[in-house]
Amino acid sequence: RKEVEQDPGPFNVPEGATVAFNCTYSNSASQSFFWYRQDCRKEPKLLMSVYSSGNEDGRFTAQLNRASQYISLLIRDSKLSDSATYLCVVRRGEGNKLVFGAGTILRVKS
Amino acid sequence: EAGVVQSPRYKIIEKKQPVAFWCNPISGHNTLYWYLQNLGQGPELLIRYENEEAVDDSQLPKDRFSAERLKGVDSTLKIQPAELGDSAVYLCASSQDGAYGYTFGSGTRLTVV
Repeated sequence: RKEVEQDPGPFNVPEGATVAFNCTYSNSASQSFFWYRQDCRKEPKLLMSVYSSGNEDGRFTAQLNRASQYISLLIRDSKLSDSATYLCVVRRGEGNKLVFGAGTILRVKS
Repeated sequence: EAGVVQSPRYKIIEKKQPVAFWCNPISGHNTLYWYLQNLGQGPELLIRYENEEAVDDSQLPKDRFSAERLKGVDSTLKIQPAELGDSAVYLCASSQDGAYGYTFGSGTRLTVV
């Protein structure tokens, strides 16, 4: 079992739709949580951090449930430009090591 | 501010040949990482440097892979000899004082034929 598990998708949604991605992690010592975005043949880029209280950045909302070791990302009013792979990422305390999930592919279509 | 610079961008080599990748991190970032990304997978850590010291190389296949970060700035990752299964994207990232804000370079896409 991988340390960070994600549904690989792809999620094919129309413009304007709301889409949610889920992620689970197995290491209870994980300290920080993130969503990264990776465009085709590009490097991963930090989308947002994830906090226990939940946090929002425009159309993006991230939530963390430490008890269930579950992370989510909600995208509202999807745009064509949101099409990408979304990587769920956890940071272990020791050595600041980031552990990446395999990613969830999102395709937004007009 | 210049980002993390990697070269070459693409590399095609025959199996059993050696290959080297170069990374220049963001100025002032003392932590440097090399990650490997296979198609359809997330990046996986190969090695982490704090300044010039390799502090986590547990995932580096040491029989054929080596890395160095002389003077604690730029870094080189080498594979000798390369195998077909080494075909992947090799990503370099850096951060300041181990802060979570990794910045990745654009990667080197290696194809071994």
